[in-house]
Amino acid sequence: EVQLVQSGAEMKKPGESLKISCKASGYDFKSYWIGWVRQMPGKGLEWMGSFYPGDSDARYSPSLQGPVTMSADKSFNAAYLQWSSLRSTDTGVYYCARRSRDGHAYDFWGQGTRVIVSS
Amino acid sequence: EIVLTQSPATLSLSPGERATLSCRASQSVGSLIAWYQQRPGQAPRLLISDASNRATGIPARFSGSGSGTDFTLTISSLEPEDFAVYYCQHRTTWPPTWTFGQGTKVEIK
Repeated sequence: EVQLVQSGAEMKKPGESLKISCKASGYDFKSYWIGWVRQMPGKGLEWMGSFYPGDSDARYSPSLQGPVTMSADKSFNAAYLQWSSLRSTDTGVYYCARRSRDGHAYDFWGQGTRVIVSS
Repeated sequence: EIVLTQSPATLSLSPGERATLSCRASQSVGSLIAWYQQRPGQAPRLLISDASNRATGIPARFSGSGSGTDFTLTISSLEPEDFAVYYCQHRTTWPPTWTFGQGTKVEIK
């Protein structure tokens, strides 16, 4: 059974760093793209980027306003999303999702990680 | 940049009724549209890929149609668990971009 399990909720202050995780199981982790999708409070879904664990290829959305880094640890079957300096506008729920084999949809999703950035 | 426009923003229906949701692309996307359901407090769930292919485990009351710029998600007879927000989505090969529509909320009338 394919599963993506994300790390727990975080409360941070502006300027702090953060790394959230997405632990995959039930499939060949290194052979599927992982996408990250943001949902700000009360809003819709927004694609942030995609990462291929097999060769560490990363594609970022051109609309990202702040520095964020995607990465993965193949030995641990985990993908990560990292901020070096959080802003209040980073508040939201972050989902990881597996890109389908045909490449045009996200077929499995993590449960989401809620991030609150407030002073 | 492809823009996906969903309509209506909100659909008020009763259980057992038929729901018809629309997604319009700003330029032709072939059949490369997916649909997701998001219940309150939950992660999105893939319903339909490639405009009309139901994902594994999705009930037959959900169907997708369309090609080019106009797409439709139909729920033939609403069950209580179907009241949720629905998003359409397209992936552009180059530049590699994933776009979501703004969502349609199906609420109980």
